[in-house]
Amino acid sequence: DAKTTQPPSMDCAEGRAANLPCNHSTISGNEYVYWYRQIHSQGPQYIIHGLKNNETNEMASLIITEDRKSSTLILPHATLRDTAVYYCIVRVLYGNKLVFGAGTILRVKS
Amino acid sequence: GAVVSQHPSRVICKSGTSVKIECRSLDFQATTMFWYRQFPKQSLMLMATSNEGSKATYEQGVEKDKFLINHASLTLSTLTVTSAHPEDSSFYICSARGPGPDTQYFGPGTRLTVL
Repeated sequence: DAKTTQPPSMDCAEGRAANLPCNHSTISGNEYVYWYRQIHSQGPQYIIHGLKNNETNEMASLIITEDRKSSTLILPHATLRDTAVYYCIVRVLYGNKLVFGAGTILRVKS
Repeated sequence: GAVVSQHPSRVICKSGTSVKIECRSLDFQATTMFWYRQFPKQSLMLMATSNEGSKATYEQGVEKDKFLINHASLTLSTLTVTSAHPEDSSFYICSARGPGPDTQYFGPGTRLTVL
């Protein structure tokens, strides 16, 4: 599975959009981009995943560049409860395992 | 969404004892479960993949005789840390491949402290 690069930390004001970038320049054509988050001392939570088209669900939006070498997770109206570590993972669909990198610590501040 | 539970949520044990952690899929059947370990301020590290009715597949560097995994039913996998030592103190998290397209659900984690 391709490697991903994320900034170690980001701050965001409560109520504003949080835009979390991820670089995956070696992504293969059959690999999807997955996002999970982990709130302190809890298990990870699935957020969203996509292949090449932009995706949106009740939690977030995923914007993937046309060359698929990077993506951005958007939390449209961040709240204090969105403070967590966000992981961007690249993997083939129905792949056997999720491999977590270092992730981005998102701190939402009031 | 589908729910995965772990028991216990916290355990403190003496060095040299064995500790069993249970992972259950509460409302779905999971043919595949995964076990992760997470040290403070670090990311999750996959330890092993467990398939119901067969032996677990361990990641490189994980001692299979120390971390015994049993997946005897479609809703239960157990991780036993044998002869635990202080360096085994960690946050252990399981996940289960759930229903629906390519879903994986995580348990709340078990914090193990070995004195």
